[in-house]
Amino acid sequence: AQRVTQPEKLLSVFKGAPVELKCNYSYSGSPELFWYVQYSRQRLQLLLRHISRESIKGFTADLNKGETSFHLKKPFAQEEDSAMYYCAVIASGTYKYIFGTGTRLKVLA
Amino acid sequence: NAGVTQTPKFQVLKTGQSMTLQCAQDMNHEYMSWYRQDPGMGLRLIHYSVGAGITDQGEVPNGYNVSRSTTEDFPLRLLSAAPSQTSVYFCASSYSKGNYGYTFGSGTRLTVV
Repeated sequence: AQRVTQPEKLLSVFKGAPVELKCNYSYSGSPELFWYVQYSRQRLQLLLRHISRESIKGFTADLNKGETSFHLKKPFAQEEDSAMYYCAVIASGTYKYIFGTGTRLKVLA
Repeated sequence: NAGVTQTPKFQVLKTGQSMTLQCAQDMNHEYMSWYRQDPGMGLRLIHYSVGAGITDQGEVPNGYNVSRSTTEDFPLRLLSAAPSQTSVYFCASSYSKGNYGYTFGSGTRLTVV
């Protein structure tokens, strides 16, 4: 079955510490992967796409096809990074966009 | 550009009532979707549309209907509201099949009592 797994519901780190939010997927073919962020009581916003290989707000994510992972990383966390983060995938040849269950990141002062 | 506009922002329904959540986008996006967001379950796809006149079911379609008569509008109808439909509902649209990412509306917080 098509699945996106975010194993951590909550991740707490101190300000200035590195952050890694995990995302694993199970799809055949060539999926396209995304990270979205949702700040408190706001709409979801696209953070980054794996095909663009960009860095947004200091976050990066590398697609590892061997491990079927797309972990989100930031070398130095900031308090304003506290939010809910969702990994999402669209399977090649389909129109269905599937989200993981999300990880809440708390950056402590 | 207003982006994706959802109305209403909040709604309380009694069990058995019906209502329509409105979603409109002004970006000429072909693809539109409805999701529900529940604690611990993330976002689950209810219905989606790949263009005017074309809709399909997502993961959790039961109890909901959609139609897409125009490119701009994609309303979600609750046929007979149940407490299990208490959730936050998000509408999203995309220029293509989603590979440029979705633009989300601000959500509708629905409570069914």
